[in-house]
Formats: sequence, C-alpha cells, structure tokens
Amino acid sequence: GAVVSQHPSRVICKSGTSVKIECRSLDFQATTMFWYRQFPKQSLMLMATSNEGSKATYEQGVEKDKFLINHASLTLSTLTVTSAHPEDSSFYICSARGQLDNTEAFFGQGTRLTVV
Amino acid sequence: GQNIDQPTEMTATEGAIVQINCTYQTSGFNGLFWYQQHAGEAPTFLSYNVLDGLEEKGRFSSFLSRSKGYSYLLLKELQMKDSASYLCAVTNAGNNRKLIWGLGTSLAVNP
Repeated sequence: GAVVSQHPSRVICKSGTSVKIECRSLDFQATTMFWYRQFPKQSLMLMATSNEGSKATYEQGVEKDKFLINHASLTLSTLTVTSAHPEDSSFYICSARGQLDNTEAFFGQGTRLTVV
Repeated sequence: GQNIDQPTEMTATEGAIVQINCTYQTSGFNGLFWYQQHAGEAPTFLSYNVLDGLEEKGRFSSFLSRSKGYSYLLLKELQMKDSASYLCAVTNAGNNRKLIWGLGTSLAVNP
C-alpha cells in the first residue's frame, strides 16, 4: 500500500517556541492532506484540510495563525505549531488521500509533541 | 447533520468472533472506512465499503447497508494483538473529501 512518512515521531520543545511537522507521501500524489490531533483515549480530531496549492480549510475552533499549514506540493504538507504552550502537547497525525474518491486515507506515523 | 455512532467498548475472548457495529447519518454518502488503531500509533486501514454487502479480507470482514445507514466489522479467530481501537469513518461527495470519524470502539481481547 501507499506510504505516508511523518517526521519527527517525537519532539520536545520549550514553551514559546515553534515546531514544524512534515508529512510526505512517498509513492503517490496526495491531492488532499488532513491534519489531526488526538488526546489520550480520545478519537481523532480534524484540525484542517489542505489541497495542494491552495489555502488550508480549518475546522471550527482551530486557530489558523497558531497552526500554520503549508501544502506546497503533491507530496509534502507541513504543520507548524507556533508559540507552543503546554496545552498544545498532543499526538498530531497527518493523512493523505489521492485523487479518486474511493481511495483510502493513508496515515503518517504520528508526532508526539510535548511542550515543557 | 452528520453523525456516527459505535459502541465505546467491547470485550471478547481469544479465538472467538466479534462484531463491531457502526451507524451513520450523512448526506451525499460516498463510502465507509474501518481503521484499526493501537495505543500510541496512527490508524491503519482495514476496509472500505461503498456498495451494499459483505467484503471479506482474511480474518476481517466488513458489511454495509446504505438504506439502513449501518455497517459492521466482523473479526474472526480473535488474537490478543487484535486488542485495539476500531474506528468507523464515512466520506461524502464533495465536503472537501474529508472523513467523518466515529469515536472508536475499544476492543479488549482476553485469553
């Protein structure tokens, strides 16, 4: 199956700094990429949807100036958590879908962010 | 609106069969996915149904009834490693192709 690579898998940063997470589709063109966050024992919470070359669509309650998403190519999307605070500590997961509607969403490995 | 319901928790015995149900309400239905997620890991794809009926893939099968807004995931010959959360998700035509997720069913397989 298709592979989506997400880096880093774990990151610890100081409060007030910014962290960038990369999501790459390795063997297919990711027309649409999704960014999720997940708290322990809770379901996936969609943060934003991005289509290559256009601005991301953020879900209600997600601050677009805090969570910057760039989807500059069909194989790469990045999420930057700006001015991170301890409450931003979470598991962040990206997923990517190809062009056809019947394609599954392939997930990256996830990034465990801890803000201290 | 859109809504997906699935049981929060289930328990089963190693070697047994378990059925995890999912009901959904959505407009412009364009497919239903089942994913498995182990604690601390990203979800992995199990199945996709867009037409009514049963799709079998090894020990796992998935069923869909579009008229009833209902799906189930059937796991046979349960193994301890099947202990995980099982997520049901639907996708709509348009809607930026995003998946609408259920809250997941946490399955515990006991010896």
